[in-house]
Amino acid sequence: QQQVKQSPQSLIVQKGGISIINCAYENTAFDYFPWYQQFPGKGPALLIAIRPDVSEKKEGRFTISFNKSAKQFSLHIMDSQPGDSATYFCAASKGLISGGYNKLIFGAGTRLAVHP
Amino acid sequence: GAGVSQSPSNKVTEKGKDVELRCDPISGHTALYWYRQSLGQGLEFLIYFQGNSAPDKSGLPSDRFSAERTGGSVSTLTIQRTQQEDSAVYLCASSLARPMNTEAFFGQGTRLTVV
Repeated sequence: QQQVKQSPQSLIVQKGGISIINCAYENTAFDYFPWYQQFPGKGPALLIAIRPDVSEKKEGRFTISFNKSAKQFSLHIMDSQPGDSATYFCAASKGLISGGYNKLIFGAGTRLAVHP
Repeated sequence: GAGVSQSPSNKVTEKGKDVELRCDPISGHTALYWYRQSLGQGLEFLIYFQGNSAPDKSGLPSDRFSAERTGGSVSTLTIQRTQQEDSAVYLCASSLARPMNTEAFFGQGTRLTVV
């Protein structure tokens, strides 16, 4: 059962462009939605995260947009740079608000290539 | 330690052999996860440890897989009678317990190749 669906599988963007990666989830109990960035040979690292009580969160060039009714959230990378080339994973977990533990369910990943 | 440490970084084993993968979490982190990442794929949840609670083993793909966490710190993932489909990168992550922090910090992984 794929609880978090991510698209596209791969993305090519020119330097300075906007990269957009989308995720959809099924479980309405999810209450924490992080994005992780993974460079080759490294483990994933937290990039930015959002809770469902806000519709948008921005940190520098990275923005999460969240649509609770549609059960979708997306990552926007503004002014994309070659150094942003990596694999990006969306994830979801439950229990942040209601308690319990935060088992992260990951999407399949998006391989982003930013060309100079 | 500075981060999550996994060993070995690479492991090549023959089909049918048993392997043990080790994870040293960040000191003070009570939550520990194991994930599996197959080539070009996402992160597949395997098992979760939280303090003294019973582990969530719901992601273990078969009874050949087991994990333990001794003293609430170091964890070992054991794969018995390895198969070629077990070839993947095995990632360990740790985090503080709620509600202090939910960020999971990942190690660099162990790349397992079954030949």
